[in-house]
Amino acid sequence: DTAVSQTPKYLVTQMGNDKSIKCEQNLGHDTMYWYKQDSKKFLKIMFSYNNKELIINETVPNRFSPKSPDKAHLNLHINSLELGDSAVYFCASSQGFSGYTFGSGTRLTVV
Amino acid sequence: QQPVQSPQAVILREGEDAVINCSSSKALYSVHWYRQKHGEAPVFLMILLKGGEQKGHEKISASFNEKKQQSSLYLTASQLSYSGTYFCGTMRGADGLTFGKGTHLIIQP
Repeated sequence: DTAVSQTPKYLVTQMGNDKSIKCEQNLGHDTMYWYKQDSKKFLKIMFSYNNKELIINETVPNRFSPKSPDKAHLNLHINSLELGDSAVYFCASSQGFSGYTFGSGTRLTVV
Repeated sequence: QQPVQSPQAVILREGEDAVINCSSSKALYSVHWYRQKHGEAPVFLMILLKGGEQKGHEKISASFNEKKQQSSLYLTASQLSYSGTYFCGTMRGADGLTFGKGTHLIIQP
């Protein structure tokens, strides 16, 4: 039973399209995150949610919007996709001062 | 503020030791260490919460010098399975982790 699961694993889409990536965790953690990992492997935090409240919103374009229907889910919706959005997106969760548990990632390719 | 990791890359023979450093220009509340293998997700290794704290995990250990605002990861008698990219992540308050650019470790037989 996967602790943090993301879908889809791969996503290929054209510029201008809108897409969503889903994330679910079954660890009972209070905080969930979205990270973007670019081609140089740099992991950059995008958003985090604690008990359904946004507590961080880094300087990401407003084309990206996180949506959390409940504590166990944090989805990422992206509007008007651009070539520069191509990357691997990781969902993660944590509880208190624990380490982060990452999902397996979604490789997004915009063509 | 992104922590700075050094070195950027290390190539070792099996059985050799390695040290990876992580430093920050800002005060730190905690330091995390993760390992990521190619095509996989980062995996949590350990967290250091107090200044001077040292933690160990098999032959991998870490220290945290709060005064110097730096942490070091020690890999002893490296094994092939230790290959991957190591990231330190720092947290200054209630915000999420900010990761360094990573240290690429290659272990050769």
